[in-house]
Amino acid sequence: AQSVAQPEDQVNVAEGNPLTVKCTYSVSGNPYLFWYVQYPNRGLQFLLKYITGDNLVKGSYGFEAEFNKSQTSFHLKKPSALVSDSALYFCAVVAGNMLTFGGGTRLMVKP
Amino acid sequence: DAGITQSPRHKVTETGTPVTLRCHQTENHRYMYWYRQDPGHGLRLIHYSYGVKDTDKGEVSDGYSVSRSKTEDFLLTLESATSSQTSVYFCAISERLTNTEAFFGQGTRLTVV
Repeated sequence: AQSVAQPEDQVNVAEGNPLTVKCTYSVSGNPYLFWYVQYPNRGLQFLLKYITGDNLVKGSYGFEAEFNKSQTSFHLKKPSALVSDSALYFCAVVAGNMLTFGGGTRLMVKP
Repeated sequence: DAGITQSPRHKVTETGTPVTLRCHQTENHRYMYWYRQDPGHGLRLIHYSYGVKDTDKGEVSDGYSVSRSKTEDFLLTLESATSSQTSVYFCAISERLTNTEAFFGQGTRLTVV
């Protein structure tokens, strides 16, 4: 089955430190990968996507993600975390006709 | 924000009653999705549509049906609501499947008592 997994329920990081939110995928063929963010009582907002080309993808709010085909991973990163980055983050993959999401990772950035 | 509206935003209903949630878009996007969000489960796909009258099941479709009679509207019906269907429901739209992002509605909080 095609799927995406986020192994960490929560990631804690101090403001100003780099952050990484992990995502691994399992799909046949070329993966189409996405990251979304959800703030409290809101719908999901698109951050970035990997379709093809450069393995390092840059997105909104200073976030970037690195596609690693050999490790089947698509980790979300940011060089310097902000308190306002605290939110729920979802990795997603297009598989067949469906957009499938991971379980989500809560990012807590502490001052 | 993309033109996507969910209604109602909040609903409390009794076990055994039918419930219909509406998703309306003004973007003319081809793909529309219904997800439910539950603690510990992330977002799970219920049903999706890839065109007018073209729908298919997602991973948690039991107890739900959908209809799409025109491009802009995608209805989700709980045929006989159960307490296990208490959740937050999100509609999403996308222009294409593989290389464009999806836009999400604000969500509908449904409580079945």
